[in-house]
Amino acid sequence: SAVISQKPSRDICQRGTSLTIQCQVDSQVTMMFWYRQQPGQSLTLIATANQGSEATYESGFVIDKFPISRPNLTFSTLTVSNMSPEDSSIYLCSVRTGHNQPQHFGDGTRLSIL
Amino acid sequence: KQEVTQIPAALSVPEGENLVLNCSFTDSAIYNLQWFRQDPGKGLTSLLLIQSSQREQTSGRLNASLDKSSGRSTLYIAASQPGDSATYLCAVRRTQGGSEKLVFGKGTKLTVNP
Repeated sequence: SAVISQKPSRDICQRGTSLTIQCQVDSQVTMMFWYRQQPGQSLTLIATANQGSEATYESGFVIDKFPISRPNLTFSTLTVSNMSPEDSSIYLCSVRTGHNQPQHFGDGTRLSIL
Repeated sequence: KQEVTQIPAALSVPEGENLVLNCSFTDSAIYNLQWFRQDPGKGLTSLLLIQSSQREQTSGRLNASLDKSSGRSTLYIAASQPGDSATYLCAVRRTQGGSEKLVFGKGTKLTVNP
């Protein structure tokens, strides 16, 4: 299975600032996703990161708040913009190597906003 | 809208016991179902993937079954060990042509006592 590295693993940020999370995969993957896990909740898909084009966002998530880049088949970034305490969550990168393949997750970025 | 429910929310068992975790989903039009474990402070580890045409999958002491028509899956853990202590998550993926996203349950927190 693909090895997924996320940076940073955790951060504490001030209200109103932005943070960019990086996701690096050790092999080319067709599908990359960004999920959020709020405290005590399960995972919710933010967007699908599309290589070479704009990400596809789920209902309730917008590009201005969560801009995503995917310049190639092994790397993606998620930016959490103008952060507020409600953005305190774990953000997880996820990949799938093929249509019928299992989905794999990175260790996540634990974000706290003061 | 697909909803995934996991029962029980928490389970505590003595070491060596066989146990069953339950997952139910409201829309039977799924492409596949995946079981994960999540250790505290970590990301998700994929355990088993069951395609919609399959009835069960096995990996070591784990066996997952799928009854698509009734909207149910079970994860059977044989001879449980303290190292099995984690939160177990069930996720379903919609049929092809729909969203690619996984819809997650809230998980079952398992504690195996030595």
